[in-house]
Amino acid sequence: AQKVTQAQTEISVVEKEDVTLDCVYETRDTTYYLFWYKQPPSGELVFLIRRNSFDEQNEISGRYSWNFQKSTSSFNFTITASQVVDSAVYFCALSELGYGGATNKLIFGTGTLLAVQP
Amino acid sequence: DSGVTQTPKHLITATGQRVTLRCSPRSGDLSVYWYQQSLDQGLQFLIQYYNGEERAKGNILERFSAQQFPDLHSELNLSSLELGDSALYFCASSPGLLYEQYFGPGTRLTVT
Repeated sequence: AQKVTQAQTEISVVEKEDVTLDCVYETRDTTYYLFWYKQPPSGELVFLIRRNSFDEQNEISGRYSWNFQKSTSSFNFTITASQVVDSAVYFCALSELGYGGATNKLIFGTGTLLAVQP
Repeated sequence: DSGVTQTPKHLITATGQRVTLRCSPRSGDLSVYWYQQSLDQGLQFLIQYYNGEERAKGNILERFSAQQFPDLHSELNLSSLELGDSALYFCASSPGLLYEQYFGPGTRLTVT
């Protein structure tokens, strides 16, 4: 069964601290995609990154970086030098191809609420 | 702004009623997805359409139905509403079946 676990319900840091959000997934498929989305207090869901199961290279985008490790079924997200504007709920999600590669539905974790204090 | 539009932004209605939520995907996107976000269930996939055809179904109640029209906009119909249907309903779109999904701002439904 497909499942995404974000064990950290809430994290509070002070501005400029680094913070890592954990994501562990379960899937039987060999081909799958992993995502991170941000949901700020305004409520919309903002796409951050997509990773396919064949690409284990770590990715860095500005202050954001992602560490994908198939051996531990983890796709962790690190924010370096956090800022107040990073305060949001962050969701990790898994997508499998499904029958005939015909679907792309997202299975979300429960989210991690990140509060960055000034 | 993701380019996905949803109307209305807020909807307040009574139990037993029927409502229609509307979604316009990003220009050029063929695939539309509907998700429900509630405090107890989290973010749950409801249904997916690709170029007018239903592609995948999640835990969508029988009281709920959706369709995608020839101009690619989609509507989610919720009927015989119950208090537990109160939630944020998101629409997302993607160019095809193996791409990231871009989400609309959501419709907040309150059933009283």
